[in-house]
Amino acid sequence: DAGVTQSPTHLIKTRGQQVTLRCSPKSGHDTVSWYQQALGQGPQFIFQYYEEEERQRGNFPDRFSGHQFPNYSSELNVNALLLGDSALYLCASSSGAPEAFFGQGTRLTVV
Amino acid sequence: ELKVEQNPLFLSMQEGKNYTIYCNYSTTSDRLYWYRQDPGKSLESLFVLLSNGAVKQEGRLMASLDTKARLSTLHITAAVHDLSATYFCAVDGETSGSRLTFGEGTQLTVNP
Repeated sequence: DAGVTQSPTHLIKTRGQQVTLRCSPKSGHDTVSWYQQALGQGPQFIFQYYEEEERQRGNFPDRFSGHQFPNYSSELNVNALLLGDSALYLCASSSGAPEAFFGQGTRLTVV
Repeated sequence: ELKVEQNPLFLSMQEGKNYTIYCNYSTTSDRLYWYRQDPGKSLESLFVLLSNGAVKQEGRLMASLDTKARLSTLHITAAVHDLSATYFCAVDGETSGSRLTFGEGTQLTVNP
């Protein structure tokens, strides 16, 4: 079992650009959550997808959007990038059981 | 809004010493998680605490949960350098799914 995999691992973008991050959940998991972790801070919940729909959303602007595919994999899209969007983006998968498993993250740098 | 507070935020200790990290949270929940994060890395799950009075131990780390006091502790016994990392507690305040609210983290440095 490969666990939760995210791609790419690192990314550099320019302000105003758009970015797409990808996540494949752990085998058997149907729920994907995305978190943003700024340097020196704890992760913050962005949103969660289940059955291809956004089920919960944190306090993030509409520039942050997502998608879940029939195979449960997920994408996080960020439009009109700001310098403040630079962070480690973490994907977590779960299956109704209490524990969530995190991927290795995507380090996004906006210049 | 669910709030999770950890203290201390920074902890420097000597090898062989004991210490406790505290995690307070603001709403009723019986699902509390502890994670370890090394610099530039993702989150490694340490403990999942699912009921009042739950206590779990792994090596030199022991975690407990008091849901009435809305408090969890992570106790470090006889610290070693390899325990140097940032430790996060997180609370799942939702009745379904995993939506975690994290504390700010405790940056632990264990000195020889």
